[in-house]
Amino acid sequence: DAGVIQSPRHEVTEMGQEVTLRCKPISGHDYLFWYRQTMMRGLELLIYFNNNVPIDDSGMPEDRFSAKMPNASFSTLKIQPSEPRDSAVYFCASSLFGPAGGSGANVLTFGAGSRLTVL
Amino acid sequence: QKEVEQNSGPLSVPEGAIASLNCTYSDRGSQSFFWYRQYSGKSPELIMSIYSNGDKEDGRFTAQLNKASQYVSLLIRDSQPSDSATYLCAVNVEYGNKLVFGAGTILRVKS
Repeated sequence: DAGVIQSPRHEVTEMGQEVTLRCKPISGHDYLFWYRQTMMRGLELLIYFNNNVPIDDSGMPEDRFSAKMPNASFSTLKIQPSEPRDSAVYFCASSLFGPAGGSGANVLTFGAGSRLTVL
Repeated sequence: QKEVEQNSGPLSVPEGAIASLNCTYSDRGSQSFFWYRQYSGKSPELIMSIYSNGDKEDGRFTAQLNKASQYVSLLIRDSQPSDSATYLCAVNVEYGNKLVFGAGTILRVKS
């Protein structure tokens, strides 16, 4: 398996522009997570999906952020309009089962990340 | 109180020594505990998972869990320079599938 695939790997944009980050989870994984990592705040959970349905979006910072999962093999995280404080590395991760399950199949596998710089 | 707390470090140990990394969590309902390693500029990768009280060993790594004290640790024996990285503790919270990460501990192994 190719693992979790994210694109783009790097994105530089100007304040006010729309940014779309993409993720392809591991085939067969029912859970998909979007995290954001910054030096100040560490790794923060933004939203997660189970079987393409958003379950918890309490970490989405504000209405400028939206996430969709139209099918089992694709998810997007959109920021519109972008601001300099959105600069971070955005990680997508997937797992077969959710982390609450006490088994080895609930381990999250991370993609390589998308480094976003908003000028 | 943060949900998952770790000392940020850096923790410096000589090559061949034991490195001890610690993590505390606030949610008594947490069931799943993970240690991830993250090299600079890379994504987190799983080192260990643990679900029951006690010790779990995998090669040079041992995870220890004490649910009563809400404490989880990672021991790295015979530390190598290649172990130098940030180690992230992760815990599921709110009786569900929300996985929260600590801020990470920077480990430096000096040869």
